[in-house]
Amino acid sequence: NAGVTQTPKFQVLKTGQSMTLQCAQDMNHEYMSWYRQDPGMGLRLIHYSVGAGITDQGEVPNGYNVSRSTTEDFPLRLLSAAPSQTSVYFCASRGSNQPQHFGDGTRLSIL
Amino acid sequence: GQQLNQSPQSMFIQEGEDVSMNCTSSSIFNTWLWYKQDPGEGPVLLIALYKAGELTSNGRLTAQFGITRKDSFLNISASIPSDVGIYFCAGQPLGGSARQLTFGSGTQLTVLP
Repeated sequence: NAGVTQTPKFQVLKTGQSMTLQCAQDMNHEYMSWYRQDPGMGLRLIHYSVGAGITDQGEVPNGYNVSRSTTEDFPLRLLSAAPSQTSVYFCASRGSNQPQHFGDGTRLSIL
Repeated sequence: GQQLNQSPQSMFIQEGEDVSMNCTSSSIFNTWLWYKQDPGEGPVLLIALYKAGELTSNGRLTAQFGITRKDSFLNISASIPSDVGIYFCAGQPLGGSARQLTFGSGTQLTVLP
């Protein structure tokens, strides 16, 4: 059981480039979320999904898009990367009435 | 929006000592979660609390759901070097979706030999 798998683990981008952070879970969880973690600010919710085909914005959604075409996958897209998006990104999933489980993170640097 | 204050921000303790940290909220939660994050990894769930007044243990860790529903405490007894890491609290209101899970800013724990 792999749990929540994030790829890549590290990425460096130039300002203006686009990329997709991948997240997959094999636990048949309904809920999936993307967070960013910045020093001294804890985890902030970017986007989340309560099931396939359903997504909604979190606390800091600007500059990010998501989609949920399957239960297993929840990719996060940066359309035009900015230095302010340098951060560590965590994907999480949970079943109904269960606590969240996190992936190991993607460390993203925007130059 | 909901605010979570986690304290202390950092702690330096001697191996073998007990540790306490807490989180307070400006609003009522019906679930409190405590996570630990090791360097380079994602947060790992330590303890989940679902009822006011609940006291739950996981080995040397004990967490309590405050009776007011606005706070939670995590205690670590007889600390060891592998306890080093960042501890996060998170709270969620009744029926809350992922959107409503709020995280504290973390407590960085250092255990000195």
